[in-house]
Amino acid sequence: EAEVAQSPRYKITEKSQAVAFWCDPISGHATLYWYRQILGQGPELLVQFQDESVVDDSQLPKDRFSAERLKGVDSTLKIQPAELGDSAMYLCASSSTGGPDYGYTFGSGTRLTVV
Amino acid sequence: AQRVTQPEKLLSVFKGAPVELKCNYSYSGSPELFWYVQYSRQRLQLLLRHISRESIKGFTADLNKGETSFHLKKPFAQEEDSAMYYCALGTNAGKSTFGDGTTLTVKP
Repeated sequence: EAEVAQSPRYKITEKSQAVAFWCDPISGHATLYWYRQILGQGPELLVQFQDESVVDDSQLPKDRFSAERLKGVDSTLKIQPAELGDSAMYLCASSSTGGPDYGYTFGSGTRLTVV
Repeated sequence: AQRVTQPEKLLSVFKGAPVELKCNYSYSGSPELFWYVQYSRQRLQLLLRHISRESIKGFTADLNKGETSFHLKKPFAQEEDSAMYYCALGTNAGKSTFGDGTTLTVKP
């Protein structure tokens, strides 16, 4: 069964350092999402891509977060500088359609701890 | 703006008992509703979607537009149903908003 790949699984970084996460969606899935999940809460959308274009980044803290999907396939989410409040699970998901009709397939996530 | 509310953080039932996980939503457009499940040490996965009107692992959910609800039900809970359940609201733009989840524990 096809999966969404994410790396690393865990990341510990010091405050003010840069950190990056990688996601490879299911082959052929045009829509890619980055979600952040703080402990005890549901996932919150950070950015949505349709192919290589950003569709929604209204909740992305653009002063420190950036995301790219240069060739419309895999994607990188970067935080610079990291802050203590960024500690969370970062989830990547993909969908074959631009709409939510079929739901998402999620990766296993990257657990970020900022110390 | 869309919003999803799951009023119960924790829900505990005995094996064989009926279970209902509540979900209420707020959205001015035509909603797409989903239930996702996360078993221990596994990734978040889609359980069912209202548009398919399907039953997965004995679970069903009916969209009630009048009450803006999408409660998840199962007549006889099993121990393997113990997991975290998230209700999600999708929009035409392909963006989903998630509730904060309900942890279901099925006791033997």
